[in-house]
Amino acid sequence: AQTVTQSQPEMSVQEAETVTLSCTYDTSESNYYLFWYKQPPSRQMILVIRQEAYKQQNATENRFSVNFQKAAKSFSLKISDSQLGDTAMYFCAFMKPVPYSGNTPLVFGKGTRLSVIA
Amino acid sequence: DARVTQTPRDKVTEMGQEVTMRCQPILGHNTVFWYRQTMMQGLELLAYFRNRAPLDDSGMPKDRFSAEMPDATLATLKIQPSEPRDSAVYFCASGPTGGTKTGELFFGEGSRLTVL
Repeated sequence: AQTVTQSQPEMSVQEAETVTLSCTYDTSESNYYLFWYKQPPSRQMILVIRQEAYKQQNATENRFSVNFQKAAKSFSLKISDSQLGDTAMYFCAFMKPVPYSGNTPLVFGKGTRLSVIA
Repeated sequence: DARVTQTPRDKVTEMGQEVTMRCQPILGHNTVFWYRQTMMQGLELLAYFRNRAPLDDSGMPKDRFSAEMPDATLATLKIQPSEPRDSAVYFCASGPTGGTKTGELFFGEGSRLTVL
């Protein structure tokens, strides 16, 4: 079974600074997807960024980027120019897709609570 | 914007009562997931469906929980009888059929259940 570990329960960062959230995972699969989800106080789960394991290029979405190290099974999230609205829980998640059938359940880490300080 | 709709948003009930949570997945999505979120356990999968067929409900306490998809526009999660340890936020998520859209799960806003 796959496992996802987020070793930082809480982090804080000054507004406009950069912060990196860590995530490691364990799997014997070669093809899979990795995700970062954001959960603000409103509790809505919002997809931040998605990485396909067969793509070597790291995914980026505006101020959010990942450092995907497949051999090390590491998938960290970097948030640049942090904003107050980035304050939230961040969850790292793993999915093993089924060919031609699409999505299977996400396996989530325990989350990292990020506070952006003015 | 298409979105997953969950009801109720918040529910307070007494131990022993039946609770039904409902989810309307995004039209055209063929997979539906139920997750439970607690401080201690984080996000746990309870059940999931593909094309309305249940594929995995191993995370669900079978004696009191049941999940169904009576049609493509409705998924339900029922707890009978409810217990204080069931207090949690329950999320429904839906996802499209594979291809380039694989992995794009959309979550509802969750139903916060408090059992007294």
